[in-house]
Amino acid sequence: QVQLVQSGAETKKSGASVKVSCKASGYIFTGYYLHWVRQAPGQGLEWMGWINLSSGDTNYAQIFQGRVSMTRDTSITTAYMELTSLTSDDTAVYYCARIRSGWRFDFWGQGTLVTVSS
Amino acid sequence: QSVLTQPPSVSGAPGQRVTISCTGSSSNIGAGYDVHWYQQLPGTAPKLLIFGDYNRPSGVPDRFSGSKSGTSASLAITGLQAEDEADYYCQSYDNSLSGSVLFGGGTKLTVL
Repeated sequence: QVQLVQSGAETKKSGASVKVSCKASGYIFTGYYLHWVRQAPGQGLEWMGWINLSSGDTNYAQIFQGRVSMTRDTSITTAYMELTSLTSDDTAVYYCARIRSGWRFDFWGQGTLVTVSS
Repeated sequence: QSVLTQPPSVSGAPGQRVTISCTGSSSNIGAGYDVHWYQQLPGTAPKLLIFGDYNRPSGVPDRFSGSKSGTSASLAITGLQAEDEADYYCQSYDNSLSGSVLFGGGTKLTVL
């Protein structure tokens, strides 16, 4: 069965960076794109960007350009999202999600809470 | 601010029917891109509820249905049950930005 298992909660200081991992299993890793979506406390879903797990090509939402980096390690079927220059506005649950045709997200990770404190 | 507009909240009594709207524009829903709906229970990841405007993934009850017309889409829930109380999000693609996925702002459904 398809599973996306994310790394554990993180607490960071303002200005620091965070790297969240997403371990995929149960399907052909390089056959799909993986997206990252975040959700601030009590807020809605915010799309961050995607990575082509086969080629490594990426596309980031404009508001994160220059601060986000999405990578993958095909040998261990794991994708990563790194966000730099953290502020309190980056406090959120970060999700990885697999995308299917029609731009629908069919499987999601369990989420990783990133807390940024000053 | 989301480019897909949803009502912040809707409510209904058990057994009733409710609808949640999702209004977009000519660069997303109106351009023919699929609309998908997700249900998010408290403290959990979103779950795909409706895909491709009106299709239900395996396991989703037929009490849930989707529709689309012009630049808007709707999610209907009939025979409301207490366990339907959750946040609901619409999602589509927008061609006015560089490959952008859009989410609606979300709608909180309260079962009275």
